[in-house]
Amino acid sequence: DTGVSQDPRHKITKRGQNVTFRCDPISEHNRLYWYRQTLGQGPEFLTYFQNEAQLEKSRLLSDRFSAERPKGSFSTLEIQRTEQGDSAMYLCASSRWGTGVPYEQYFGPGTRLTVT
Amino acid sequence: AQKITQTQPGMFVQEKEAVTLDCTYDTSDPSYGLFWYKQPSSGEMIFLIYQGSYDQQNATEGRYSLNFQKARKSANLVISASQLGDSAMYFCAMREGVNRDDKIIFGKGTRLHILP
Repeated sequence: DTGVSQDPRHKITKRGQNVTFRCDPISEHNRLYWYRQTLGQGPEFLTYFQNEAQLEKSRLLSDRFSAERPKGSFSTLEIQRTEQGDSAMYLCASSRWGTGVPYEQYFGPGTRLTVT
Repeated sequence: AQKITQTQPGMFVQEKEAVTLDCTYDTSDPSYGLFWYKQPSSGEMIFLIYQGSYDQQNATEGRYSLNFQKARKSANLVISASQLGDSAMYFCAMREGVNRDDKIIFGKGTRLHILP
């Protein structure tokens, strides 16, 4: 039984470059979430998908951010024209949503982004 | 106003002692869920325990229990017989609307240090 995986684990990029992160959820989970965590803070919600549909986006998700889950399995989060303020840990989580099932979200190990 | 408040930035506890991590929350939704997650230095968020707003009894999971006081909007985590491996960041979190697997709102966390 594999958990949520994220790739890469670490990414260092120069300001202005584009970056893309990947998340592979637990296979039977139909919901997938992206969070951002900055130093000393709890994770903040960015967006989530049910299957391939993106159901909600946070105001934190500026136009430079885009997320996809094209086949309802893995998801990608792209940041265009990165800024130093984008430096953070990007966490992916998944859950199985439905009546009568546990409500916990299972998190991946995160991708730590450093923008220089 | 903050939805989740954790007033203890850091705590030091002697090994084998019980520890209580405080959490208060704010919501007007009658249906909500409360979570505690552990984040070790590796960065992964580990689900510990869940309490639904309509649950009559306090949730327990092994050495973890949630002291749920609904009228006070309090959801403290109690760890019995603490161990060195319990040293980590602990986040209290809430989801509003228990039948909607929606985004989770996290507090700022408490860093717990277990002393040998």
